[in-house]
Amino acid sequence: DQQVKQNSPSLSVQEGRISILNCDYTNSMFDYFLWYKKYPAEGPTFLISISSIKDKNEDGRFTVFLNKSAKHLSLHIVPSQPGDSAVYFCAASGGGYQKVTFGTGTKLQVIP
Amino acid sequence: AAGVIQSPRHLIKEKRETATLKCYPIPRHDTVYWYQQGPGQDPQFLISFYEKMQSDKGSIPDRFSAQQFSDYHSELNMSSLELGDSALYFCASSLVGGDNTGELFFGEGSRLTVL
Repeated sequence: DQQVKQNSPSLSVQEGRISILNCDYTNSMFDYFLWYKKYPAEGPTFLISISSIKDKNEDGRFTVFLNKSAKHLSLHIVPSQPGDSAVYFCAASGGGYQKVTFGTGTKLQVIP
Repeated sequence: AAGVIQSPRHLIKEKRETATLKCYPIPRHDTVYWYQQGPGQDPQFLISFYEKMQSDKGSIPDRFSAQQFSDYHSELNMSSLELGDSALYFCASSLVGGDNTGELFFGEGSRLTVL
């Protein structure tokens, strides 16, 4: 069973516009959520995270929103840049040394 | 800043052979995770170690084994290799403490090709 789901396998956005990547989770024990960015043949790179005690975290052009009641989080990138084109993974953790569970990824293409 | 080091970066083996991948975590990190990413697939968690002891186990085949050594580096041993083992193997490390938040730092991966 997929505990972290990214239902959109791909997304295309014009440069300068907002990119919104969505993620849903089913495990209510998750209390920390992360977004990773991955280029082909490279390891995922940590992007931004949010704790379950918050509903928003912002870092430059990246903002993550968490809706605990809906078990939904989203990553907003604004303005989108061509260098943002990559696969974005949503991930969740129950804290401690438990494994981090990844979603299936969304491939973002920012069109110049 | 030092990152997670994986070796070798590329490895080609034949079916039924054995392969060993190594991972050197970021200094002072005490937890190591191994992930396998097949072509067109999301990373699948294999196994993790905390303070040199196995802390969690995912979809790791019985043909695979791993351990974390006293210097915190980890090795993933794969025996009786199959074609389906061809994948990118990522190692990640983190520091577990009172404020652990599960943030992982990934290596660049080791690409295993089984012929």
